[in-house]
Amino acid sequence: DAGITQSPRHKVTETGTPVTLRCHQTENHRYMYWYRQDPGHGLRLIHYSYGVKDTDKGEVSDGYSVSRSKTEDFLLTLESATSSQTSVYFCAISVGTSLNTGELFFGEGSRLTVL
Amino acid sequence: DAKTTQPPSMDCAEGRAANLPCNHSTISGNEYVYWYRQIHSQGPQYIIHGLKNNETNEMASLIITEDRKSSTLILPHATLRDTAVYYCIVRGGGGADGLTFGKGTHLIIQP
Repeated sequence: DAGITQSPRHKVTETGTPVTLRCHQTENHRYMYWYRQDPGHGLRLIHYSYGVKDTDKGEVSDGYSVSRSKTEDFLLTLESATSSQTSVYFCAISVGTSLNTGELFFGEGSRLTVL
Repeated sequence: DAKTTQPPSMDCAEGRAANLPCNHSTISGNEYVYWYRQIHSQGPQYIIHGLKNNETNEMASLIITEDRKSSTLILPHATLRDTAVYYCIVRGGGGADGLTFGKGTHLIIQP
């Protein structure tokens, strides 16, 4: 257990409202990631972070922003949620070494429904 | 990162060894082979990774061919709880940009 928790685990919201998902880790890992998973598309990377205030875009970053003001928290924000953002969102941290960052530990997921 | 090819689905009898193949013919010298699995509705779970030598841990064994163009994940004694989608991913070792997941192999363990 790499001490990673996501909140909320389930959320229903309406189109146009802002939503923030939180990923919290307890072990000071440097690299953190947000993925979304949809039927027919599999897991796709939204944004990632390689340190406090250091973030970059992934494959499907449009409509999402992230922030990392402290090591333990990586926030994913939907400024104005749309129905196409209905998905399951997974946070992950890299628990590998600096020479091997591919060993990821995933959270339990946050299921978001946008009506 | 090199592309991988996996069969979309496989069956295996409970108690038998499950052998999951992966082709990665364009792999380069500094790229690792990673295996993950995802049990329905849960987050993906790391299984094992390797560079060129065979690897074994408490979950599985990873056999990489000498030319590194393919690999096999072996679950030695499959149980019903091993039913999942298994992902083979090839990626360079360091760097911050995460992993790219393909469609994987849906392994179904039959009782």
